[in-house]
Amino acid sequence: DTEVTQTPKHLVMGMTNKKSLKCEQHMGHRAMYWYKQKAKKPPELMFVYSYEKLSINESVPSRFSPECPNSSLLNLHLHALQPEDSALYLCASSQGGVDRVRRNEQFFGPGTRLTVL
Amino acid sequence: GDSVTQMEGPVTLSEEAFLTINCTYTATGYPSLFWYVQYPGEGLQLLLKATKADDKGSNKGFEATYRKETTSFHLEKGSVQVSDSAVYFCALSKIYGQNFVFGPGTRLSVLP
Repeated sequence: DTEVTQTPKHLVMGMTNKKSLKCEQHMGHRAMYWYKQKAKKPPELMFVYSYEKLSINESVPSRFSPECPNSSLLNLHLHALQPEDSALYLCASSQGGVDRVRRNEQFFGPGTRLTVL
Repeated sequence: GDSVTQMEGPVTLSEEAFLTINCTYTATGYPSLFWYVQYPGEGLQLLLKATKADDKGSNKGFEATYRKETTSFHLEKGSVQVSDSAVYFCALSKIYGQNFVFGPGTRLSVLP
C-alpha cells in the first residue's frame, strides 16, 4: 500500500465552525506533514510530525491545530478560520530512518479542498 | 537560504512535441532533487528523483539529470501527450532537513 488518503475531499465551513481534516497512511512512514496550497502556487509547509511528535510548526496561526494520534494518522483541527484560509490542504508522509533516499521522498495525498465562508 | 527556480509558464505545446522545463537550485551541501506533477484537482505525485551528481531520474518517458556544476535538474520528455497537461514542480531536500523546498511550478498545456 503506497497511498496516503485524506478525508473529506471537499469541506465548506463558516468562520465559527469547528471541523477536522484527516490523513492516513499505512506505509510505515514515521514522518507526516501538513501543507497548504493556494491556487497556482506551490505547497507551503505548515507542520511536520516525526515519530508522532511535532517537530516543525512554521508559525501557523493557532486556529490550525495538528494532532498525531498514532503513527498512521494525522489530523488537522480547524476553528474560527478566515476566508483567506480557503485552500487545498495536502497531507504527505515520508520514511524515517537512516536510508537517505527513502527518508527524503514524500508521498502526497489527494488533498482536502477547504472553503471558508 | 535554499531555493529552487523554474522557468515561467504556462508552456503550451502540440502533442508529440519535445518538452524541456528548466529548473535550477541554490543550496548548501548535497541536496536530493525531485520533480513532482500535479494534475488538475489532485495532490502531488512524485515523477522522478535524483540523489547525487550525475544521477539520471526517469519515469513515464520523463528524464532529468542532476548537474551539480550548473546546479540544474531540467525535466525533458521526447514526445508529450495531452494527458501530460499538468503543473510540474521541481523540489529539493537535504539529508539533514525535513523540509522540501519547492519551485513555483510550471503549468504545461498539451494541445491535440
